[in-house]
Amino acid sequence: EPEVTQTPSHQVTQMGQEVILRCVPISNHLYFYWYRQILGQKVEFLVSFYNNEISEKSEIFDDQFSVERPDGSNFTLKIRSTKLEDSAMYFCASSGDRGQGYTFGSGTRLTVV
Amino acid sequence: AQKVTQAQTEISVVEKEDVTLDCVYETRDTTYYLFWYKQPPSGELVFLIRRNSFDEQNEISGRYSWNFQKSTSSFNFTITASQVVDSAVYFCALSFPQGGSEKLVFGKGTKLTVNP
Repeated sequence: EPEVTQTPSHQVTQMGQEVILRCVPISNHLYFYWYRQILGQKVEFLVSFYNNEISEKSEIFDDQFSVERPDGSNFTLKIRSTKLEDSAMYFCASSGDRGQGYTFGSGTRLTVV
Repeated sequence: AQKVTQAQTEISVVEKEDVTLDCVYETRDTTYYLFWYKQPPSGELVFLIRRNSFDEQNEISGRYSWNFQKSTSSFNFTITASQVVDSAVYFCALSFPQGGSEKLVFGKGTKLTVNP
């Protein structure tokens, strides 16, 4: 069964450093998403990406965040200057069409120290 | 505004008991989708079911069943004869496609512990 692949599974970074989280969505999917889950809390929407541009973003997704699909296969989330409160599990997801539901990746646990 | 409420924060049962996880949603959209996801201790999100707003038929899949009632805006999930492997956090979620996006709004989750 096709999978969404996220790397790395765990990343530790120092406060103020830039970090890039990588995702390889399912190859024929068109809609891509990033979600965040702070430990013990609910899963929160960050951003959706369709047709090579951001289609929707949440209040959490401020200027420190950016997304890119550089080569037609990878989908990245960049955090420019990490803060302690960015520590969370970050999930990438993709879908083939709206209403079909998502396939989530297994997540990247980001720890900012 | 769209909202999902899972009032049960934690539930603890003994193996073989039946357990129902409640989910109540709010939306003004007429077209929407409801989901349940399982998050085991390993952390990944495992898709369980998707239901669209026009299909109120209940669904059964093995020991799992779902009861969708638009009249009460509820989409409850029942596990029959629970097993230790069912221990996880379960999230109910709501989506409403618009434009180039279909974001999911999650509830806070219900942590289910099944004791042997």
